[in-house]
Amino acid sequence: KQEVTQIPAALSVPEGENLVLNCSFTDSAIYNLQWFRQDPGKGLTSLLLIQSSQREQTSGRLNASLDKSSGRSTLYIAASQPGDSATYLCAVSWGDNQGGKLIFGQGTELSVKP
Amino acid sequence: DTGVSQNPRHKITKRGQNVTFRCDPISEHNRLYWYRQTLGQGPEFLTYFQNEAQLEKSRLLSDRFSAERPKGSFSTLEIQRTEQGDSAMYLCASRGDPTYGYTFGSGTRLTVV
Repeated sequence: KQEVTQIPAALSVPEGENLVLNCSFTDSAIYNLQWFRQDPGKGLTSLLLIQSSQREQTSGRLNASLDKSSGRSTLYIAASQPGDSATYLCAVSWGDNQGGKLIFGQGTELSVKP
Repeated sequence: DTGVSQNPRHKITKRGQNVTFRCDPISEHNRLYWYRQTLGQGPEFLTYFQNEAQLEKSRLLSDRFSAERPKGSFSTLEIQRTEQGDSAMYLCASRGDPTYGYTFGSGTRLTVV
């Protein structure tokens, strides 16, 4: 069964700290992996998309890495700010022969304290 | 194009009533997905369309749920005889070229009282 797991479920850090969010998945034959941000009661905002052939993607203070062989991805947030407080979701697609649908982890709720 | 649009944003309904949600995807995207998200959980796949064809339905999609995408443009998700367990956020996403990932709408929050 294809599953995605995120640890920890919640994380609280002081402003300015660098942090890492973890995502693990079964079945290393992924097509791509996407990180999303979700603010309370809102929809999902795409942060980074990593194709299966890539090792990492960067956008501003965010860096996402992918290690297919170990079934892991990490989202690194540098110099965290209170505005980064949100739930971060990792989602994996195993390709169009699986309908191209995303399987999500349960998310990590991040709180950055001023 | 302003992205994926969902209406209404919020819906409160009495148990047993029927509700319908609408999703307008990014116009050039041929794939459209519906997900359901309950509090504290990640979104769960419900169904998807390629153009107007509904190609897969999750076992979560009971007989009370039906989705359509006429003409391969907007999509509707109808829930008949709503139950309290249907209370959730219903999310729509669209996708064109798979190398560009998915774009989600803001969701419709359903509360069944």
